Amino acid sequence: NAGVTQTPKFQVLKTGQSMTLQCAQDMNHEYMSWYRQDPGMGLRLIHYSVGAGITDQGEVPNGYNVSRSTTEDFPLRLLSAAPSQTSVYFCASSYSRGGAGNTIYFGEGSWLTVV
Amino acid sequence: KQEVTQIPAALSVPEGENLVLNCSFTDSAIYNLQWFRQDPGKGLTSLLLIQSSQREQTSGRLNASLDKSSGRSTLYIAASQPGDSATYLCAVGNDYKLSFGAGTTVTVRA
Repeated sequence: NAGVTQTPKFQVLKTGQSMTLQCAQDMNHEYMSWYRQDPGMGLRLIHYSVGAGITDQGEVPNGYNVSRSTTEDFPLRLLSAAPSQTSVYFCASSYSRGGAGNTIYFGEGSWLTVV
Repeated sequence: KQEVTQIPAALSVPEGENLVLNCSFTDSAIYNLQWFRQDPGKGLTSLLLIQSSQREQTSGRLNASLDKSSGRSTLYIAASQPGDSATYLCAVGNDYKLSFGAGTTVTVRA
């Protein structure tokens, strides 16, 4: 049982480049989300999805796009990378809405550096 | 906007001592509160989930309390071990998201 799988683990981008962080879960969870973790600031919600075809913005959505074509996958796209997007990105999934009381499962993170 | 604070930011204790980690939040209208453990270079692992109607949850050496009216939660780890060294994060749940504190980094000295 793989749980939540994120790729790549590490990535270095140049300013202005675009890329996609991949996230897949094999637990048939409806709710998936992306967070970023910066030193001293905890995790902040970027985007979330409550099911295939449904996405919404979180706390810090600017510069990121998401789509949810299947239950399993929830990719995060950086449109034009900026140094301020240097961070650790975590994908998470749960049976239902992430704050509503079900255990939430996190991937192991993707370390992104924008130079 | 929900603000979650964890004090202290770091803690070092000798093996065997009990650990007390604090979490405070500004908005008491929460669904639940969760405590997570994060090891270096790894994701988050859920430790305890306390629903808003509950006062505490226990799992093995871990006990977490919740006082919604005062906006506080405390995680107790009994008889600490070097393997407990990690960063502990609390997160407050509303309808669709978790609001995280910055974490407390714990070092248990052998």
